[in-house]
Amino acid sequence: EDQVTQSPEALRLQEGESSSLNCSYTVSGLRGLFWYRQDPGKGPEFLFTLYSAGEEKEKERLKATLTKKESFLHITAPKPEDSATYLCVVGADKLIFGTGTRLQVFP
Amino acid sequence: SAVISQKPSRDICQRGTSLTIQCQVDSQVTMMFWYRQQPGQSLTLIATANQGSEATYESGFVIDKFPISRPNLTFSTLTVSNMSPEDSSIYLCSAPGSTGSGPEETQYFGPGTRLLVL
Repeated sequence: EDQVTQSPEALRLQEGESSSLNCSYTVSGLRGLFWYRQDPGKGPEFLFTLYSAGEEKEKERLKATLTKKESFLHITAPKPEDSATYLCVVGADKLIFGTGTRLQVFP
Repeated sequence: SAVISQKPSRDICQRGTSLTIQCQVDSQVTMMFWYRQQPGQSLTLIATANQGSEATYESGFVIDKFPISRPNLTFSTLTVSNMSPEDSSIYLCSAPGSTGSGPEETQYFGPGTRLLVL
């Protein structure tokens, strides 16, 4: 059965404290892995698409990496405005959504 | 990218009434999607709306409860019928679009409609 698992469920960081979010997946026929940011009460905002193992994408303080079984979203020196829920979505026959990691960054 | 707007942004409705949510995309797309996100949960696909054909509903969702229209390639509506408090949720529409990096595509989401049913 296709499955996407994100960990941790919630993460509290001090401003400047780098960390990583994990997305483990089991799907047949991966067509792409997507990372989104979602602020409370708003729709998901697209961050990255990764297609093949070894691929990396960067945007400001965020860097996404992909292996055959998991993806990491690395956050370097986070700021309070990075606080949000980060969703991992895997594209197979259909989109499979992870449950997200709620990130809180404190000043 | 695709810019997606939704109306209304939020509403409070009485039990037993219906609400129609509108979704507008800034480019022509073949497929549009409707999702529900219940409090603290991730997104659940309700149905796929293709222009010119009946919407395809996921398991647990039926046309009588969530009728969908798709009159053209940039617009769709979702109606939540005979509402109950269990329908309180955020409803999101989405459509595919280019990421701007070559042929890459992804799903873009509207800002959502927050529905509270009393």
